[in-house]
Amino acid sequence: QKEVEQNSGPLSVPEGAIASLNCTYSDRGSQSFFWYRQYSGKSPELIMSIYSNGDKEDGRFTAQLNKASQYVSLLIRDSQPSDSATYLCAVNRRENYGQNFVFGPGTRLSVLP
Amino acid sequence: DAGVIQSPRHEVTEMGQEVTLRCKLISGHNSLFWYRQTMMRGLELLIYFNNNVPIDDSGMPEDRFSAKMPNASFSTLKIQPSEPRDSAVYFCASSGTSGRSSSYNEQFFGPGTRLTVL
Repeated sequence: QKEVEQNSGPLSVPEGAIASLNCTYSDRGSQSFFWYRQYSGKSPELIMSIYSNGDKEDGRFTAQLNKASQYVSLLIRDSQPSDSATYLCAVNRRENYGQNFVFGPGTRLSVLP
Repeated sequence: DAGVIQSPRHEVTEMGQEVTLRCKLISGHNSLFWYRQTMMRGLELLIYFNNNVPIDDSGMPEDRFSAKMPNASFSTLKIQPSEPRDSAVYFCASSGTSGRSSSYNEQFFGPGTRLTVL
């Protein structure tokens, strides 16, 4: 079992719809969780971080975390063509001083105009 | 404010040559991470430093790879000798509680170095 799993996609949604991206992780000791967006040929860009169970909203983005189910998701409301990118889920297995980031393979999102 | 700076942006070299990649952290950050990204293996953590000290180098593929952090804001990743299978995009990321970061854990990536070994 891979440490961080994501559907590779592509996930295609029409403009204005909600895009739902999912991520599961294997290490129950994981403490913090991140979503990065990566456009083709560019570097990963941090868009959301979440540390406790529940929802965290930032503009059109909502991250959801369920530690019991070892599941984290990202919802993008009112999807725009500019949201078309690969979304990487990252899990930090240790707090602060000892950091052990593991990235998922990414989900490619395509928002169709 | 300046983000993470990496150089060179592109490097093409021949097998057997030494390659040195450079990274400058975001001002005030004190953790630095080197990653490698390929289509086959995705984004892999190679090594990370905290306060100039290497903390975890378990991701470094083999002895041909070495990383140093001679001061608090600068790091190098060296490959000697380089091989075609080292071809990838190498990213440097930094973290710390300053600037854009609201949490020590949030990492910010540089633009990357695209390495091609012929």
